[in-house]
Amino acid sequence: KAGVTQTPRYLIKTRGQQVTLSCSPISGHRSVSWYQQTPGQGLQFLFEYFSETQRNKGNFPGRFSGRQFSNSRSEMNVSTLELGDSALYLCASSLGSGGQQNTIYFGEGSWLTVV
Amino acid sequence: QKEVEQNSGPLSVPEGAIASLNCTYSDRVSQSFFWYRQYSGKSPELIMSIYSNGDKEDGRFTAQLNKASQYVSLLIRDSQPSDSATYLCAVPGGGNKLTFGTGTQLKVEL
Repeated sequence: KAGVTQTPRYLIKTRGQQVTLSCSPISGHRSVSWYQQTPGQGLQFLFEYFSETQRNKGNFPGRFSGRQFSNSRSEMNVSTLELGDSALYLCASSLGSGGQQNTIYFGEGSWLTVV
Repeated sequence: QKEVEQNSGPLSVPEGAIASLNCTYSDRVSQSFFWYRQYSGKSPELIMSIYSNGDKEDGRFTAQLNKASQYVSLLIRDSQPSDSATYLCAVPGGGNKLTFGTGTQLKVEL
């Protein structure tokens, strides 16, 4: 069974550009969450989508957005990139809508460098 | 106040020793807790979950939860060099949102 797949794995962008990252969850999983990981702030929750609806949103500016498609695949977009957006962006998928027995699996991440 | 707090380390232990990793949380209503392991350059991997007060054992790993003290810990027995990683404590925050601590770096020395 394939795990959570993220593309691209590595990318370099210039300040002011925008970027789109893609995530394919584990087959059958309906929930996709996105996290940003930086050395200074650690792992921070961006947003969660379940059945194409955003259910939860972290404390990030509106430049960060996402969406989920009917096949559960998800994309996140960051517009007007800043140097501080350089980070590892992690996608996580899970089967259900939450609860104690709902395991969350992470993808390998997309490493974004903004120059 | 941060919701989940961990000592960043590094915590160094000799091979074969017990490594003890600690985490405190601020939300008294939290019901479940997770420990993730993250190797350098890799994604987090779930190693333990605990929902009830007391101990939960899985192989060389034991998670301990004390809800009254808002404290959860992870013990690694017979530590191996392959256990060297960053260990992240996480608390659910509604739906599938997880709030993570900053992680404790563990180094197991030969």
